[in-house]
Amino acid sequence: GAGVSQSPSNKVTEKGKDVELRCDPISGHTALYWYRQSLGQGLEFLIYFQGNSAPDKSGLPSDRFSAERTGGSVSTLTIQRTQQEDSAVYLCASSRARGMSTEAFFGQGTRLTVV
Amino acid sequence: QQQVKQSPQSLIVQKGGISIINCAYENTAFDYFPWYQQFPGKGPALLIAIRPDVSEKKEGRFTISFNKSAKQFSLHIMDSQPGDSATYFCAAQDQTGANNLFFGTGTRLTVIP
Repeated sequence: GAGVSQSPSNKVTEKGKDVELRCDPISGHTALYWYRQSLGQGLEFLIYFQGNSAPDKSGLPSDRFSAERTGGSVSTLTIQRTQQEDSAVYLCASSRARGMSTEAFFGQGTRLTVV
Repeated sequence: QQQVKQSPQSLIVQKGGISIINCAYENTAFDYFPWYQQFPGKGPALLIAIRPDVSEKKEGRFTISFNKSAKQFSLHIMDSQPGDSATYFCAAQDQTGANNLFFGTGTRLTVIP
C-alpha cells in the first residue's frame, strides 16, 4: 500500500481481555514506532524498532504491553489483561533508515476502548 | 521525562493573525526537528522540519525559527486561516544515534473566522 496501514481501526474489548493491534509499515521502511494518544493528549512513545537492532522498549507502560516485528515488516502490539486506562488511540509510524529525510509517516491509528 | 517541552497547550487566534508555538529540548544530540500537524481522527502528518545548521526555514505561511544556543525552536503560522485549526506537535530526533523520535505534548490551535 501507499501508506502505513493499521488494523483494526476500532476495537472495543472487555476489561481483562487481551488485544492485538497490527501495523503494516510502508514497504522499505526500516524504522517503526508505536505511540499512544489519550483523548486530547500528546503522543506517548511506546516502542521503537530499527532494522535488526534490539527494539527500544523504554516507553512501554507495564509488562502487560509487548510488541514484535516479524521479518522487519509487520508489527503487532499486544496488550494483555486490558484495563480501562488502556483506552486510547494507538498510532504506528514508519520511516526510512537513519540519515537524511527520515520523515515518519503515521497510520490512522487504532481506537481502543476497554469497557 | 519529557524530552521535548511544548507550549502553549492551546491557542486561539483570529483569522489573519500570527500563531506561535514554542518548544524546548535538552539533548544536544538531537539533529532533526520536525513539526507535525494532526486533524481530528487522523494520524499526524509532517508539516515542516529543520536541522540545526540553519536558524530559520520557511515554507509558505509556515516558518520554523531555531535557536541552537538556547535549545529552543518555534513554529510561526502567518496569516492564520480557519483551515489551520488542528493540533500541532513539535518533535526531535537524533538521526545519527539512537534515532528515536520524541514528541512534545501538542498545541491545539483554533483559528476564529
